[in-house]
Amino acid sequence: DAGITQSPRHKVTETGTPVTLRCHQTENHRYMYWYRQDPGHGLRLIHYSYGVKDTDKGEVSDGYSVSRSKTEDFLLTLESATSSQTSVYFCATHDSANTGELFFGEGSRLTVL
Amino acid sequence: RKEVEQDPGPFNVPEGATVAFNCTYSNSASQSFFWYRQDCRKEPKLLMSVYSSGNEDGRFTAQLNRASQYISLLIRDSKLSDSATYLCVVNFGTGGSYIPTFGRGTSLIVHP
Repeated sequence: DAGITQSPRHKVTETGTPVTLRCHQTENHRYMYWYRQDPGHGLRLIHYSYGVKDTDKGEVSDGYSVSRSKTEDFLLTLESATSSQTSVYFCATHDSANTGELFFGEGSRLTVL
Repeated sequence: RKEVEQDPGPFNVPEGATVAFNCTYSNSASQSFFWYRQDCRKEPKLLMSVYSSGNEDGRFTAQLNRASQYISLLIRDSKLSDSATYLCVVNFGTGGSYIPTFGRGTSLIVHP
């Protein structure tokens, strides 16, 4: 299995507090992604990165920011969490040299009260 | 309108049945196509890539019709262990970028 780890795996926080989710990979993959998964919506792309310091917005980027200062780490920050950001967040990576397979972390379950 | 559309189901079938899932996509410039499987509360995992010529992996067959912008997955001789959500994924990336876009997923329940 690809070495993709997410932290924290579970978090409960209050509205208005900042939250940072971390994705760490040991595969040296170029592309990294943050998705959120909600019932009835499937996985929706929040932000993605195509290299160190190179990031771009996805379909549902409002309220989220990201940073990638090293190949192995991709951080997702909720500056001021809202209840609508309660979700399961998945990090994924892709190596442009391979067949196109995405490798996922185990997910981070965030509850905003 | 979502760029990748799937019937959410659930598809409720007996063991041994053949079941087919469909997926349509909106961007004709899409480059690559995949089916992923997701078990409850787990991360998605690649089931198979989808090629224009069609491809088969054991009981699973995937087809791509670029003209109709349509992808299918056929599961023969369904097993209880096939119960899961099946996600259609289309890469909309251009110019060297790679942006996998997911359908909402189709739920399959295989019963004895």
